[in-house]
Amino acid sequence: DVKVTQSSRYLVKRTGEKVFLECVQDMDHENMFWYRQDPGLGLRLIYFSYDVKMKEKGDIPEGYSVSREKKERFSLILESASTNQTSMYLCASSLEDGPDEQFFGPGTRLTVL
Amino acid sequence: QKEVEQDPGPLSVPEGAIVSLNCTYSNSAFQYFMWYRQYSRKGPELLMYTYSSGNKEDGRFTAQVDKSSKYISLFIRDSQPSDSATYLCAMSASKAAGNKLTFGGGTRVLVKP
Repeated sequence: DVKVTQSSRYLVKRTGEKVFLECVQDMDHENMFWYRQDPGLGLRLIYFSYDVKMKEKGDIPEGYSVSREKKERFSLILESASTNQTSMYLCASSLEDGPDEQFFGPGTRLTVL
Repeated sequence: QKEVEQDPGPLSVPEGAIVSLNCTYSNSAFQYFMWYRQYSRKGPELLMYTYSSGNKEDGRFTAQVDKSSKYISLFIRDSQPSDSATYLCAMSASKAAGNKLTFGGGTRVLVKP
């Protein structure tokens, strides 16, 4: 079974703090993704990576950065957290050659006070 | 206007009824179509995957794609309380590097015993 794990299920941070969200997948997938999910807006792509050290901006990259130093790990960084970054963050991975199916982690509910 | 539109619901049906869900989209380049199911406090999981137009059936689930109308549907027959979840449609234009998906906002479904 594909497993995508995220470092925290719930996180509370203060405005201005630097926040790290970690994601690890165990199926040797090339592609990894970070989304945020908000009521009524669905899943919106923040960043994705199709190889180690490669990253591409998604639809809403402002205020975020990412790091992929190893194939299995993809980190999302909020340099200076703001209240409008309060959201559910979902990590996903997929194979490069194959169906488009993305496998999701359980999500991290981030609250910025 | 969003690229993919989906009624947020909630859609409440009695057990055993047929659940009908749909999405409309504007990008005629989309050719891979997916339905994800997301239980509360969990990440989405792939339910159905179709390429181009046509129907696909898997047990109690049927997915339909009408590219001429830019409209996709998911039907759940003999609905069960365990089908209560949020259903997200997703689509992509190509299998290019990264396999980016565009998601609808999700429809919340409640099946009452």
